[in-house]
Amino acid sequence: EAQVTQNPRYLITVTGKKLTVTCSQNMNHEYMSWYRQDPGLGLRQIYYSMNVEVTDKGDVPEGYKVSRKEKRNFPLILESPSPNQTSLYFCASSFTAGGPYEQYFGPGTRLTVT
Amino acid sequence: DAKTTQPNSMESNEEEPVHLPCNHSTISGTDYIHWYRQLPSQGPEYVIHGLTSNVNNRMASLAIAEDRKSSTLILHRATLRDAAVYYCILRDWAGGTSYGKLTFGQGTILTVHP
Repeated sequence: EAQVTQNPRYLITVTGKKLTVTCSQNMNHEYMSWYRQDPGLGLRQIYYSMNVEVTDKGDVPEGYKVSRKEKRNFPLILESPSPNQTSLYFCASSFTAGGPYEQYFGPGTRLTVT
Repeated sequence: DAKTTQPNSMESNEEEPVHLPCNHSTISGTDYIHWYRQLPSQGPEYVIHGLTSNVNNRMASLAIAEDRKSSTLILHRATLRDAAVYYCILRDWAGGTSYGKLTFGQGTILTVHP
């Protein structure tokens, strides 16, 4: 089954404790992306990757890091989480970045930073 | 990024057709029109997309105005499972500053009554 998986689904952590949210897709997609969703602000792109070893900032990259060492994986790293990073996070992938291709989203990771 | 305008909310009865409108008066010639929906507690889900011609798939139909400045997502027979937030999104296929990114607006909250 074609899918995007994220782990963990729920995470409660404390300020400053480094964490990684994993994202994996099994569709051999080139393009992967991270979004965060906040009430009243909608979904906003954090980082994206056009292909292996190619990543770039989205609209709200501050406080986040990503890496793309393998095509299937695109982890999101919070080196020193803060309470304003409490949010619902979605990973997405598509065949390429171009317009005709749909994006597949993961089930989401709900992060709480206290 | 080209912007879209959708009604905040709409209501429908089960098994009736639903027409969800979207205005995108600043659409460019290289923008695809995408529709996604987000069911409660889930990640966004692709529904349909088109460029110039009307499109049909198993989930819905997309009617695109001749000048491409508006479009309508048509759910032919709404079910309770169709209750979701529906997003109309323009996605550039040729590059540009928004290449690859899905810019989510506030969307239309669809309520389906039994």
